[in-house]
Amino acid sequence: DTVMTQSPESLAVSLGERATINCKSSQSVLHTFNNQNYLAWYQQKPGQPPKLLIYWASTRESGVPDRISGSGSGTDFTLTISSLQAEDVAVYFCQQYYSTPITFGPGTKVEVK
Amino acid sequence: EVHLVQSGAEVKKPGTTVKISCKVSGYTFIDSSLYWVKQAPGRGLEWMGLVDPEKGETIYAEKFQGRVTITADTSTDTTYMTLSSLRPEDTAVYYCATESLARLLDSWGQGTLVTVSS
Repeated sequence: DTVMTQSPESLAVSLGERATINCKSSQSVLHTFNNQNYLAWYQQKPGQPPKLLIYWASTRESGVPDRISGSGSGTDFTLTISSLQAEDVAVYFCQQYYSTPITFGPGTKVEVK
Repeated sequence: EVHLVQSGAEVKKPGTTVKISCKVSGYTFIDSSLYWVKQAPGRGLEWMGLVDPEKGETIYAEKFQGRVTITADTSTDTTYMTLSSLRPEDTAVYYCATESLARLLDSWGQGTLVTVSS
C-alpha cells in the first residue's frame, strides 16, 4: 500500500498570510502513460464531510478560490493557501488515487494565529 | 447536482452488525463506483471498500475483509455498507462517496455516526 505522510500536523497562520502544507507518498503517484500525478487534496471542516479541492496535484475543483493551489510531482506535493481567510480554517488531507487501496494522509490542521 | 444522503446515527453493542444506507441522485447510478470511508473520532480517513453498481463487483480493504459487505441496489440507487462483529474501535463516522475519475472522490454523503458501546 502507498503510505501518505503530511507535515506539519498543525499550523497557525495569521489572516492574510501564507499557509503551506506538505504531503509525501511512499511510492510515486506519477503515471507515465498520461504524465499525471494521481494526487488530490481535500478540506474538512468540523461536522462536515471532506470537500475535494485539488486533483491531478494542481487542478482546482470548480468553485475553489484561486488563493488555494497545489504543486509537486512524483512523491512530494504541496498545498498552498496564499492569503489565509477565516473560512480556510479546517483540516486538509492529501490522497493518492494512483492505485487501490486509495490512501489518505493523516491530515494537517490549519488555524488562525 | 450529485447528492448522497446517508441513513441516521446508530448505537450498537459489541459483536452485533450495523447496516448503513446511502441513496444517491443527480447522476446515472451505474456510471460510477461507490466508496465507503471510515473516520474514527479525531482521526484520519480510511478507505474500507467499493462497489461497481453496474457489475456488482466489490473490492475491500484488507483490514476490513471478512467483516464488511458493500452492495448496490440499482432499483433504488442506493448503496449499503454492512459491518459485522462490531467492536468499540469501530466507533466512527462512515462516509459514502462517489468517484468522478477513477478513485477520485468528488461527492460525499453527510456521514453516519456509529457508536459501539456495551
